[in-house]
Amino acid sequence: NAGVTQTPKFRVLKTGQSMTLLCAQDMNHEYMYWYRQDPGMGLRLIHYSVGEGTTAKGEVPDGYNVSRLKKQNFLLGLESAAPSQTSVYFCASRYGTDYEQYFGPGTRLTVT
Amino acid sequence: ILNVEQSPQSLHVQEGDSTNFTCSFPSSNFYALHWYRWETAKSPEALFVMTLNGDEKKKGRISATLNTKEGYSYLYIKGSQPEDSATYLCALLTGTASKLTFGTGTRLQVTL
Repeated sequence: NAGVTQTPKFRVLKTGQSMTLLCAQDMNHEYMYWYRQDPGMGLRLIHYSVGEGTTAKGEVPDGYNVSRLKKQNFLLGLESAAPSQTSVYFCASRYGTDYEQYFGPGTRLTVT
Repeated sequence: ILNVEQSPQSLHVQEGDSTNFTCSFPSSNFYALHWYRWETAKSPEALFVMTLNGDEKKKGRISATLNTKEGYSYLYIKGSQPEDSATYLCALLTGTASKLTFGTGTRLQVTL
């Protein structure tokens, strides 16, 4: 099993550009999550999904959109990147209520 | 927004010392409490998932307890080693068992 993978690992964008971050998991997990990690702020939930075809807003959803067309993939989109979106983005997945969450390796995004 | 507090923010101990940190939360209305270990430049890795009042979990030199009535969990490390240096995160699983809310972590540094 590859576990949770994220593509790309690094990216630099200019203000106003768009991009999509891909998260893939091969563990047949129902739940998938996107977090951002900023210094002193800990992990903050952007959006999440409790199953294929479903998405929901987390704590900091503004400026992001997500889609879960296939169970194994969870995409995070930035339509018009802003410098405030410079961060490290982590994807995670989980099987069920009593199970731990598995994290991807992170994507470091810089918006200039 | 659920407030998950961790203390201390950072901790510096010598090799061989035993240490503990606290995760506190305002209510027992959650499904599970998670502990994660997060090394710099890596992704968080699950240590424990705890669900019941009085739960005690152990993995090697690391153990954790949960007190849902008084709203806290302790993480203990016995005989700290340099490889224990990391940030330790706790998180509560809430919201119809779908969302994890993370604390900001305790950063542990173990020196020789």
